[in-house]
Amino acid sequence: GAVVSQHPSRVICKSGTSVKIECRSLDFQATTMFWYRQFPKQSLMLMATSNEGSKATYEQGVEKDKFLINHASLTLSTLTVTSAHPEDSSFYICSARVSSDSTQYFGPGTRLTVL
Amino acid sequence: QKEVEQNSGPLSVPEGAIASLNCTYSDRGSQSFFWYRQYSGKSPELIMSIYSNGDKEDGRFTAQLNKASQYVSLLIRDSQPSDSATYLCAVGSYNFNKFYFGSGTKLNVKP
Repeated sequence: GAVVSQHPSRVICKSGTSVKIECRSLDFQATTMFWYRQFPKQSLMLMATSNEGSKATYEQGVEKDKFLINHASLTLSTLTVTSAHPEDSSFYICSARVSSDSTQYFGPGTRLTVL
Repeated sequence: QKEVEQNSGPLSVPEGAIASLNCTYSDRGSQSFFWYRQYSGKSPELIMSIYSNGDKEDGRFTAQLNKASQYVSLLIRDSQPSDSATYLCAVGSYNFNKFYFGSGTKLNVKP
């Protein structure tokens, strides 16, 4: 149980394009989903917290107009990196939890490379 | 600023030994504590959660929590080369809304 998927697992795009990453909870309903970014040899950095049906809460320093988050259902959240630039290249990981449990279950991650 | 501190390592132990990983946190109001394992290039996977003071055992893993000292640890018995990874300590905020992660401890288990 508690399986979270992400799609795509890897994406390469040109600078200036937008990229959408999907995060799905496969066997449970996720009231809250989280989006993290991880640069090489660094720890996870929380970007934003999203609750189903509500606007996402962004961490300080994360541009909400650049990283668009939609949490339209209890099993799906999307992160769109708009007008991607090479410095946005990173490992993006989502996690999900149910309201009755504080445990976060992580997706497999999406490696984004912006050329 | 809520901080979670871990020794970055690397921590090297021989196969079959006990590996001891430590984590301290600054927020006394923290309610939940987690250990995740992250292999290079992969996302974190949950090893254990602990909520109450004391020890919690699961197979070769034992988590220890001391809220008075704001300290949580993970013991890995009979360490195997496959345990070689980075271990992340995560501390949940009082309202369970988000985690604060340590920077991780890299563990090397030598055959």
